[in-house]
Amino acid sequence: DAGITQSPRHKVTETGTPVTLRCHQTENHRYMYWYRQDPGHGLRLIHYSYGVKDTDKGEVSDGYSVSRSKTEDFLLTLESATSSQTSVYFCAISDSRGQNTEAFFGQGTRLTVV
Amino acid sequence: SQKIEQNSEALNIQEGKTATLTCNYTNYSPAYLQWYRQDPGRGPVFLLLIRENEKEKRKERLKVTFDTTLKQSLFHITASQPADSATYLCAPQGFSGGYNKLIFGAGTRLAVHP
Repeated sequence: DAGITQSPRHKVTETGTPVTLRCHQTENHRYMYWYRQDPGHGLRLIHYSYGVKDTDKGEVSDGYSVSRSKTEDFLLTLESATSSQTSVYFCAISDSRGQNTEAFFGQGTRLTVV
Repeated sequence: SQKIEQNSEALNIQEGKTATLTCNYTNYSPAYLQWYRQDPGRGPVFLLLIRENEKEKRKERLKVTFDTTLKQSLFHITASQPADSATYLCAPQGFSGGYNKLIFGAGTRLAVHP
């Protein structure tokens, strides 16, 4: 299995509080992604990174920010959590060198905002 | 904007039959198209990648076709088994500004009955 770890795995937080989710990889892959998954919507891209300090928005970036100060870590921050951000969050990594572009996913983080 | 469509209704088939899942996309021209499998409570797992210059790709009981004119990919599982029951996601892979922005369809749930 690809070396990718998400933390925490589960979190319950109150509306209005800041929350940071961490994705850590040991594969030295260039690309890292954050998705949220909700019933009926599938996986929706929040933000992605194509290198250290290089990030871009995805489909549903409002209310989220990211940072990547090291190759191995990609942080997703909810500045002020809302109930609509209750979801399962997945991190993924991809190398995209040569012909290999498959993505490897973490185990997911279940976030509940009450 | 880019749009990816997969059948939202579950596909129910009998064991031993061939399952065919459809992925349609609009408003972009992907260089690759990937298929993933997702089991409940787990992250997606990569199955197959097909390139725009390939019409068909096979791996064991899996077959993928890619029609860039129709903007459609078909995913086939032959001799299906109950263990194939899962949600299958497609990801037409475009490059935004030269970077690999990996976006998924909502997925189709497959149920294979004994």
